[in-house]
Amino acid sequence: KNEVEQSPQNLTAQEGEFITINCSYSVGISALHWLQQHPGGGIVSLFMLSSGKKKHGRLIATINIQEKHSSLHITASHPRDSAVYICAVLETSGSARQLTFGSGTQLTVLP
Amino acid sequence: DVKVTQSSRYLVKRTGEKVFLECVQDMDHENMFWYRQDPGLGLRLIYFSYDVKMKEKGDIPEGYSVSREKKERFSLILESASTNQTSMYLCASSLYGGGINEQFFGPGTRLTVL
Repeated sequence: KNEVEQSPQNLTAQEGEFITINCSYSVGISALHWLQQHPGGGIVSLFMLSSGKKKHGRLIATINIQEKHSSLHITASHPRDSAVYICAVLETSGSARQLTFGSGTQLTVLP
Repeated sequence: DVKVTQSSRYLVKRTGEKVFLECVQDMDHENMFWYRQDPGLGLRLIYFSYDVKMKEKGDIPEGYSVSREKKERFSLILESASTNQTSMYLCASSLYGGGINEQFFGPGTRLTVL
């Protein structure tokens, strides 16, 4: 079973800073998800990627399959970006329906 | 707009009670999932269903059962609630092939078992 490690666990930044959250995993995957969870619990899917790079507005996600590593970047961070960011992976082998989740990165952006 | 709803946002039950958590999706998705989320442990899959009346165990099914009688509804049942089942419970759905399609999450139910 895949082990998914996120770093850092907690991150505090000033508004406007460039933010990077990292995710590494232990075995081959077919897809990686980045999710955002706001206070109160609701989870929103930000990205799903299997190679390269994707960009939505100020958010950029990259993945390096050989190094088993993905990063989520936030440019020009804003207090409304404060949330828990969760990485989840789908293994290449095994059930096609189960994701393995990291424990999340708590991001706080101060005004 | 895609929607996954859960029957309660907050629930307090006593040890030994039978607890029903309900999840409804309006997207005609085939796959539905129940997770629990605990600090430091991330989301862990309890059960999932890929079709009506079909279910598969996830990583932590002990103490739970599920029911999917209709495509849009997936229920999680705690037969005899215990204090170690105090947690945030999240339901999700996806069109098919759980991990290779985007999962849509409900708002969560924070369950406290006294």
